[in-house]
Amino acid sequence: GQQLNQSPQSMFIQEGEDVSMNCTSSSIFNTWLWYKQDPGEGPVLLIALYKAGELTSNGRLTAQFGITRKDSFLNISASIPSDVGIYFCAGVPYNAGGTSYGKLTFGQGTILTVHP
Amino acid sequence: NAGVTQTPKFQVLKTGQSMTLQCAQDMNHEYMSWYRQDPGMGLRLIHYSVGAGITDQGEVPNGYNVSRSTTEDFPLRLLSAAPSQTSVYFCASSSRDSSYNEQFFGPGTRLTVL
Repeated sequence: GQQLNQSPQSMFIQEGEDVSMNCTSSSIFNTWLWYKQDPGEGPVLLIALYKAGELTSNGRLTAQFGITRKDSFLNISASIPSDVGIYFCAGVPYNAGGTSYGKLTFGQGTILTVHP
Repeated sequence: NAGVTQTPKFQVLKTGQSMTLQCAQDMNHEYMSWYRQDPGMGLRLIHYSVGAGITDQGEVPNGYNVSRSTTEDFPLRLLSAAPSQTSVYFCASSSRDSSYNEQFFGPGTRLTVL
């Protein structure tokens, strides 16, 4: 199946710092999504991206759909302790017949730790 | 709205036992799916459904069965549990409005097979 490489695997930062993480693939994706998972909970959707080059913000979070359609980036500005968790990228592979809708491929996740 | 609900939250099985993981959603979403999450591997799609009476296999379907008799419910059945099925299982749902892509996840079922 499709592979998404997410990096870094983990990050340890101080409160107030900015954070960047990315997701890459060797294949083209139609849609990129970013999720956050808190311990013992299910993933929660943060941002959805649908067009190459698209830049979308959600509060302190900004995500971009790469021009090549093979990557996506998530930035968190001025981190706070509640940003702690696992961040996942997910993508919907390009399929000319449209049969890949809803079939999300997930990255391995980035574990974010924020020190007060 | 309760969103996506899953029961049980925790379960321990012995090898060879069967069980059903329950999933329900109250958002009238057409699309429902099951994922498993293993350490360091992200989430992987097991089965999905685009509507009542329609199901299909995802990336890792072996050992699991599903059915979709109503829009609201999408149970996952393990017919003969194996230790390799020890994992956290998430159910998700989404609407046709987002081409099924913006999926809402339940809280998960943590399954251990001894």
